[in-house]
Amino acid sequence: NAGVTQTPKFQVLKTGQSMTLQCAQDMNHEYMSWYRQDPGMGLRLIHYSVGAGITDQGEVPNGYNVSRSTTEDFPLRLLSAAPSQTSVYFCASSYRGGDTEAFFGQGTRLTVV
Amino acid sequence: GNSVTQMEGPVTLSEEAFLTINCTYTATGYPSLFWYVQYPGEGLQLLLKATKADDKGSNKGFEATYRKETTSFHLEKGSVQVSDSAVYFCALRNNFNKFYFGSGTKLNVKP
Repeated sequence: NAGVTQTPKFQVLKTGQSMTLQCAQDMNHEYMSWYRQDPGMGLRLIHYSVGAGITDQGEVPNGYNVSRSTTEDFPLRLLSAAPSQTSVYFCASSYRGGDTEAFFGQGTRLTVV
Repeated sequence: GNSVTQMEGPVTLSEEAFLTINCTYTATGYPSLFWYVQYPGEGLQLLLKATKADDKGSNKGFEATYRKETTSFHLEKGSVQVSDSAVYFCALRNNFNKFYFGSGTKLNVKP
């Protein structure tokens, strides 16, 4: 049981480049989300999804797009990378209801130069 | 609104010392509360949780009690080890299934 898998683990981009961070889960979770982690700021929600075909914005959505065509996958797209997007990105998933916890991937460390 | 506030770190302790990391929250309704731990270079892992008032979550010697009257969920451990060095996050899940995280507290345990 792999849990939540993120790829790549590390990435360096030039300003203006685009890329997609991949996230897949094998637990049949309805709820998936993307966070960024910056020093001293904890985790900030970028986008989330409550099921296939349904996505919504979180706290810091600008510069990022998401889609959810299947239950398993929730890719995050950076449209035109900026140095301010240098961060560690985490994908998480959970069951939709009640008191269950979120499961996290190992993270993607992104540097934009 | 919903938010989580936890004490700033880093917290530096000697091995076998008593640990408390404070966490308070603001939420509408009746949230579930969580503590996560993050080791260097890794993702967040669930440490413990509590789903209703007066519940106590516990795991690996860590404990936290859901106190609705003080809106708190402080993390405690009686005797820390070097291997407990990590960043600890307090979090809540509200009635709309959204998670909110504190800013994290780094714990350094010295031998």
